[in-house]
Amino acid sequence: AQKVTQAQTEISVVEKEDVTLDCVYETRDTTYYLFWYKQPPSGELVFLIRRNSFDEQNEISGRYSWNFQKSTSSFNFTITASQVVDSAVYFCALSEADSGGYQKVTFGTGTKLQVIP
Amino acid sequence: NAGVTQTPKFRILKIGQSMTLQCTQDMNHNYMYWYRQDPGMGLKLIYYSVGAGITDKGEVPNGYNVSRSTTEDFPLRLELAAPSQTSVYFCASTPGDRGSLEGNTIYFGEGSWLTVV
Repeated sequence: AQKVTQAQTEISVVEKEDVTLDCVYETRDTTYYLFWYKQPPSGELVFLIRRNSFDEQNEISGRYSWNFQKSTSSFNFTITASQVVDSAVYFCALSEADSGGYQKVTFGTGTKLQVIP
Repeated sequence: NAGVTQTPKFRILKIGQSMTLQCTQDMNHNYMYWYRQDPGMGLKLIYYSVGAGITDKGEVPNGYNVSRSTTEDFPLRLELAAPSQTSVYFCASTPGDRGSLEGNTIYFGEGSWLTVV
């Protein structure tokens, strides 16, 4: 069964610190897709990154980087030199086909990041 | 592009009233979803649709109904509103192409804040 675990419920860091948000997933499929979304205090869900299961290359986008490791079923997200604007809830999500062949999306419970000035 | 559009953004309902949350997308996506997010919690799937005329229950369908008469529209109906339905509701869509990264990317509406008193 699909499952996405974000074990860190809340994290507080001081501005300019680096922080890593963990995401561990479970799936029986060999083809699947992973996502990170940001939900700032204003409430909307902002797409950050996506990865398919065949692409284990890590990605860097400015202060954001993602580490995808199939061996440990993890898709961790690191913010370097955190800023107050990074304060938000971050969701990891897994998409794969269900038993009927339809796309099924499972979200983690989210990690609330607070960056203290 | 408008993307996924939800209305209304805010609504207060009295216990026992009914209402419909509207959702429309202009991306010709096959899959559409309704999620609810309770305060401080993650996303729970209410209903989803893999195409016009096809709908199915998610994790928490009780108290809700949906229809999908067109590709673009996926309204969510609340019958006999209860305080437990106080939540933020997100409509989302994906192309539904299992074989592609873009096809599995989820696009969210801005959310509808519903309070039942």
